[in-house]
Amino acid sequence: DTGVSQDPRHKITKRGQNVTFRCDPISEHNRLYWYRQTLGQGPEFLTYFQNEAQLEKSRLLSDRFSAERPKGSFSTLEIQRTEQGDSAMYLCASSSSGARGNQPQHFGDGTRLSIL
Amino acid sequence: EDQVTQSPEALRLQEGESSSLNCSYTVSGLRGLFWYRQDPGKGPEFLFTLYSAGEEKEKERLKATLTKKESFLHITAPKPEDSATYLCAVLGEYGNKLVFGAGTILRVKS
Repeated sequence: DTGVSQDPRHKITKRGQNVTFRCDPISEHNRLYWYRQTLGQGPEFLTYFQNEAQLEKSRLLSDRFSAERPKGSFSTLEIQRTEQGDSAMYLCASSSSGARGNQPQHFGDGTRLSIL
Repeated sequence: EDQVTQSPEALRLQEGESSSLNCSYTVSGLRGLFWYRQDPGKGPEFLFTLYSAGEEKEKERLKATLTKKESFLHITAPKPEDSATYLCAVLGEYGNKLVFGAGTILRVKS
């Protein structure tokens, strides 16, 4: 049983550069989520996909952020013109739907982004 | 707006010293309360889901309980390998996002 896989695990970049992260969910899960976590805080929701459709976006997701899930499989999260405040751990999670849409979300080990 | 508050922020226990972590929440229509364990540099690892007040779940030395306003994670006779950050999250009536607390950092010394 392979879990959620994220790549790269670490990314160091200069301010103003663009970065892209990839997430491969658990294969039978149709729901995929992105969260951001800073030191000492719990994860904060960024966006949610059901299959290939992006159904929810947080106000945290500024216009510099874009996420895609082509064909309802893997997902990418791109940050354009990175800023110091973007430094964080970016976590991906996936879940099945369930009758009430409340199945547990399973997380990957994240991509740690550091902006120089 | 859904909110989760966890206490204490940090807890130090001796091996074998049982204790409880608290998760207080306000949510519009609870669809689930989730407990996760997070080790340094790793993503949250799912432990339990609780769906309604009065429900209890157990796994090894951990037991989670739920009331209408809070959840407790009871740790019985902890071992050093139980050291981690424990996160609580709620799923409300609207939307599909988990709202997390800031977590409790647990250290168990031998």
